[in-house]
Amino acid sequence: EDQVTQSPEALRLQEGESSSLNCSYTVSGLRGLFWYRQDPGKGPEFLFTLYSAGEEKEKERLKATLTKKESFLHITAPKPEDSATYLCAVQSRRSYIPTFGRGTSLIVHP
Amino acid sequence: EAQVTQNPRYLITVTGKKLTVTCSQNMNHEYMSWYRQDPGLGLRQIYYSMNVEVTDKGDVPEGYKVSRKEKRNFPLILESPSPNQTSLYFCASSPSNTGELFFGEGSRLTVL
Repeated sequence: EDQVTQSPEALRLQEGESSSLNCSYTVSGLRGLFWYRQDPGKGPEFLFTLYSAGEEKEKERLKATLTKKESFLHITAPKPEDSATYLCAVQSRRSYIPTFGRGTSLIVHP
Repeated sequence: EAQVTQNPRYLITVTGKKLTVTCSQNMNHEYMSWYRQDPGLGLRQIYYSMNVEVTDKGDVPEGYKVSRKEKRNFPLILESPSPNQTSLYFCASSPSNTGELFFGEGSRLTVL
């Protein structure tokens, strides 16, 4: 059974204070690992796909990295508008069903 | 504007009263799916569809039905809703079967 564990559950940062969110996973043959951002009252918004260990993707202040067991979402010099819940999901080669983690709630204080 | 549209956005109903949540996408995507999101449990897939007339169960299909008669529409049907189906529901679509999903705004359902 595919599993995704995200940590921490919640994270509070000061504006400009860089940090990382973790996504640990177990999957029978990784097809892809996905990061989403979800604002309160909204549907998740796709951010990145990572396919293999060593791969990195960047978008503005966000950078996602992937190893064989976990992914990190690095947030550099965050701003209050980066406050959201960040979701990680994996898709295995065996199943068409993405498995989502419970998310990390990020609050960035001005 | 590319979007996934769900209706209704909010609904309060009573146990046993059949209801349908509609979902429509304007991106010509082949793949569509339904999720429910519950506190502490995250997003769980209910049903998915690879194309017209092709549907399959996700992780939590009990108590739900779906149909895919047209490419753009994928309604979620609750034949006899129960209180444990109180949840936030999301429809999502994708051009192919990847985890790169476009989500709707969500439908908050309360079953009394």
